[in-house]
Amino acid sequence: DQQVKQNSPSLSVQEGRISILNCDYTNSMFDYFLWYKKYPAEGPTFLISISSIKDKNEDGRFTVFLNKSAKHLSLHIVPSQPGDSAVYFCAARDGNNRKLIWGLGTSLAVNP
Amino acid sequence: ETGVTQTPRHLVMGMTNKKSLKCEQHLGHNAMYWYKQSAKKPLELMFVYSLEERVENNSVPSRFSPECPNSSHLFLHLHTLQPEDSALYLCASSQSSEGTQYFGPGTRLLVL
Repeated sequence: DQQVKQNSPSLSVQEGRISILNCDYTNSMFDYFLWYKKYPAEGPTFLISISSIKDKNEDGRFTVFLNKSAKHLSLHIVPSQPGDSAVYFCAARDGNNRKLIWGLGTSLAVNP
Repeated sequence: ETGVTQTPRHLVMGMTNKKSLKCEQHLGHNAMYWYKQSAKKPLELMFVYSLEERVENNSVPSRFSPECPNSSHLFLHLHTLQPEDSALYLCASSQSSEGTQYFGPGTRLLVL
């Protein structure tokens, strides 16, 4: 059973608008969450992270929100740009064994 | 050269072949990882090395044999693979075994 779920396999957004990528998790022992971006034929690249003691972290156009009570996090990209088109992976670190658990990814297409 | 590099980028092998995947990191990191990414599955952690010692082996079949001769290089030796082992194999490194991971571009493996 998947502990980290990205329920939307794909998302299409118009350039300049906001992209919201969602991630749900089941394990309350996760203490750190990360978002990675992956272009075709490349490995995932680290984008932004958030500790479980925070509810928001912002870096330029990217903001991650964490709702611990709902076991939900989201990545907001605003404004979206065509270069943001990629697969976005959510990952969570288990505070007990420090393992990273990955979601299946959401493919974002930003249309000009 | 910077970052994490992997060679070869693509590999086709028969079930009786022996081949090796190579990973090199130029980031001065102390931990290195092998991941497997199969279609429609989350990233699966295979092996973790910290300071050249294997600290994790996630029940990977013995037909996959890792080697870490120094903190900059990581190999994955392959022999008598099965068609279901066809996948993208990703190498990553991090400053410590708990740090943010930086990925190479991956080796796309096809086992015939």
